[in-house]
Amino acid sequence: GNSVTQMEGPVTLSEEAFLTINCTYTATGYPSLFWYVQYPGEGLQLLLKATKADDKGSNKGFEATYRKETTSFHLEKGSVQVSDSAVYFCALTLMYSGGGADGLTFGKGTHLIIQP
Amino acid sequence: EAGVAQSPRYKIIEKRQSVAFWCNPISGHATLYWYQQILGQGPKLLIQFQNNGVVDDSQLPKDRFSAERLKGVDSTLKIQPAKLEDSAVYLCASSLDKKTGELFFGEGSRLTVL
Repeated sequence: GNSVTQMEGPVTLSEEAFLTINCTYTATGYPSLFWYVQYPGEGLQLLLKATKADDKGSNKGFEATYRKETTSFHLEKGSVQVSDSAVYFCALTLMYSGGGADGLTFGKGTHLIIQP
Repeated sequence: EAGVAQSPRYKIIEKRQSVAFWCNPISGHATLYWYQQILGQGPKLLIQFQNNGVVDDSQLPKDRFSAERLKGVDSTLKIQPAKLEDSAVYLCASSLDKKTGELFFGEGSRLTVL
């Protein structure tokens, strides 16, 4: 079956530090990959996505590259801010050739804490 | 644009009681999902609707959980009877384009079973 594994948290960093949150996946077929973020008191929201190998998703200074050879989609940011404190979820879905997609399969989430 | 609406936000019940959650997706979104998020875990898909038809309910515990989307818009998720292990946040999500896999989530309904 499909699965997503992400590094466990919490991850605590100082402001302006470099961030990496590791994510690896197992999937039958060729998935699309996503990072979702959940800020305190808010619902999950899409941060970035990549739909095929070597694609790079980016948003709000965050980046992740779809690496088929290592089945990974690590999230990176060069300089984190206190406002980036949240829970980050890596996820995948399988796309069908005839259109349509499965529901998302999520990792367990990584709680990121940025200290001033 | 209004987001995905869910109610109630919080619910506390005793085991063996029943509970229902309601979801109103973003207008025009044909696909609707219910997820269960247990504390410390990622969301787990319970059921996926395309309009008013079920696409995937393979992980729905059908002996106690049921869901419907009668008119292809609003949806309800029911648990009867509830067990302690059903304590979780129940997330509703919708998507416009079934080809992208991009979901829009509501804030969730937090259930505590005592």
